[in-house]
Amino acid sequence: SAVISQKPSRDICQRGTSLTIQCQVDSQVTMMFWYRQQPGQSLTLIATANQGSEATYESGFVIDKFPISRPNLTFSTLTVSNMSPEDSSIYLCSVEEYRSTNYGYTFGSGTRLTVV
Amino acid sequence: DQQVKQNSPSLSVQEGRISILNCDYTNSMFDYFLWYKKYPAEGPTFLISISSIKDKNEDGRFTVFLNKSAKHLSLHIVPSQPGDSAVYFCAASARPNFGNEKLTFGTGTRLTIIP
Repeated sequence: SAVISQKPSRDICQRGTSLTIQCQVDSQVTMMFWYRQQPGQSLTLIATANQGSEATYESGFVIDKFPISRPNLTFSTLTVSNMSPEDSSIYLCSVEEYRSTNYGYTFGSGTRLTVV
Repeated sequence: DQQVKQNSPSLSVQEGRISILNCDYTNSMFDYFLWYKKYPAEGPTFLISISSIKDKNEDGRFTVFLNKSAKHLSLHIVPSQPGDSAVYFCAASARPNFGNEKLTFGTGTRLTIIP
C-alpha cells in the first residue's frame, strides 16, 4: 500500500498566522484528498486535489481559507490561512488504495494543529 | 445532518471474544462502505470494505456485514486481540464512477479489548 509522509506532525500557531501542511506519497496518484477532524468529531472532507487543475472544495470550505497546491503526482500542500482557535483540528491527507478484494483510502499520520 | 451514525461511542470486549461494531446510514445513494481503525497520533488505517452488491466480506479476523434494507452495517472482529484497541470509524460513499469519491465518516466507536 502507499506510504504517505505528512509534515509537520503537530504545531502550535498564533491566531492570524498561516500554516502549510505537506503531504508526500511514495507513488504517483491521481487524486489526493484533504480531511479535517475537529475535536470529538468525525473526519470531514475539505477538498479533492487533482494534479494540474484547481482543487474541488466541499461545502463550507473555500479556497481563500484553505489554498491547496498539487504540483505533481506525488505531492500536495494544504495551507490553513488567517487561523483562529476554531481551526484547531487534526488535518489529514489521503490517497486511494487498492487490495485484492478491497478498495479504500490510505491516510497520512495527520497534523495536529492548535491555534492560540 | 449526520448521514453515517455510530451510536455506540465506546465498547469493551474480553480478549478472545467477538467484537461487533455497528454503523447506520441514512443516504440511500451510498453504495460502498469502509471501516477504518485509528490509534492516537496516527492517521486512520483502512481495514475492510464492502460494495452494496454484497452482504458480507471477510478479510482474516475481520468480517463486514451489510443489510441494505435496514441501512445498517457491522464489523465483526474474531477473535479480539489487545492490539485491536483503537477507535473504529465507519465510512460510506456513493460511487457513480470508480474512484475519486467523497467519504462520509461516522463519529467513531472506541473499542477496548480487556486482557
